[in-house]
Amino acid sequence: AQSVTQLDSQVPVFEEAPVELRCNYSSSVSVYLFWYVQYPNQGLQLLLKYLSGSTLVKGINGFEAEFNKSQTSFHLRKPSVHISDTAEYFCAVRALTGGGNKLTFGTGTQLKVEL
Amino acid sequence: EPEVTQTPSHQVTQMGQEVILRCVPISNHLYFYWYRQILGQKVEFLVSFYNNEISEKSEIFDDQFSVERPDGSNFTLKIRSTKLEDSAMYFCASRGLGTDTQYFGPGTRLTVL
Repeated sequence: AQSVTQLDSQVPVFEEAPVELRCNYSSSVSVYLFWYVQYPNQGLQLLLKYLSGSTLVKGINGFEAEFNKSQTSFHLRKPSVHISDTAEYFCAVRALTGGGNKLTFGTGTQLKVEL
Repeated sequence: EPEVTQTPSHQVTQMGQEVILRCVPISNHLYFYWYRQILGQKVEFLVSFYNNEISEKSEIFDDQFSVERPDGSNFTLKIRSTKLEDSAMYFCASRGLGTDTQYFGPGTRLTVL
């Protein structure tokens, strides 16, 4: 089974400041990793994903994430946030084998960008 | 850009009533999913569906739940006799053959009174 931990339930940050949203996972098998964003009253939108290859992946809206296998982490970063980045961010994993196709999500991190 | 749609956006029902939540997946996708998110909690997997049958389900997905693809476009989740604890946001997702990305709909907020 897989589990995902997002330690920060809320992250306040000023506009144009950098931000990092933390994600750690646990799995007995290799996984694919995803970050989804949920804007108010909207569905989940894929930000970026790691399947294989380069451990630094770039996504939409200037976000990037780095897969660290030894630390079982997949932290999301943005060098300069905008007020429109205010949303809930979910980290998710999918097992490569044995776990079906389901996504296992973390509890989410509410990013609040302030002026 | 194609997207997953869900109806209704909000559903209020009385405990014990049956509800059907509807989803229209992206047209050429073959894998379909339902997830739910109880307020303040994580998004949880309910069921996956492929080739007209359930491929995987969680322990949440008990006999009160069923899924169906009644035609070539809709994918439905039925809760036979709703309980208070079924109140949640229900998300539908779909995935294309040979891809790893699930595309999510905007969700249906179900409130059971």
